[in-house]
Amino acid sequence: ETGVTQSPTHLIKTRGQQVTLRCSSQSGHNTVSWYQQALGQGPQFIFQYYREEENGRGNFPPRFSGLQFPNYSSELNVNALELDDSALYLCASSHAGQGHNEQFFGPGTRLTVL
Amino acid sequence: AQTVTQSQPEMSVQEAETVTLSCTYDTSESDYYLFWYKQPPSRQMILVIRQEAYKQQNATENRFSVNFQKAAKSFSLKISDSQLGDAAMYFCAYGKKTSGSRLTFGEGTQLTVNP
Repeated sequence: ETGVTQSPTHLIKTRGQQVTLRCSSQSGHNTVSWYQQALGQGPQFIFQYYREEENGRGNFPPRFSGLQFPNYSSELNVNALELDDSALYLCASSHAGQGHNEQFFGPGTRLTVL
Repeated sequence: AQTVTQSQPEMSVQEAETVTLSCTYDTSESDYYLFWYKQPPSRQMILVIRQEAYKQQNATENRFSVNFQKAAKSFSLKISDSQLGDAAMYFCAYGKKTSGSRLTFGEGTQLTVNP
């Protein structure tokens, strides 16, 4: 059983650019959630994907968007990058219907916006 | 909206001793889940323990146990026989049963284990 993987590990962009982060969910999981973790803070929920559709969104602007593919992997896209977008982006997978809400996290992508 | 508060930004404990990390939360739901996650310097968030609100018995996982006080909306984590490998950031998290897997996290407690 493979765990949640994310790529890339680190990324440096400049303000105004666009970025795509990738996540492969754990085997057997059909739901992917994305979180933003600013330095020294707890993760903040961005959105969740289930069966290739957005299924819940946190307080993030539309320039944060995502996709989920038939194999349940997912992408997070951020347009018009701002300095405050610098953070650790965590992907978590789970299986909807298991009832206990347990999520399995990837190692994260560290995004730096200059 | 649900909120999770961890009032101890930092805690330290001597190796082999016991430490308790505090967490309070606010919700109007009656059925939900509470979690403690550990985030070491490697950044990977690891589930330590899970508690279902409807279960009165406090969850236990080896050296880790919780004190769940539903009326007080308190959910503390006790680590017994602390080990150097327990040093990490610990996050308390809340999840509604009905909203799938969305979690609300606290700000975290940095635990240092002294040899």
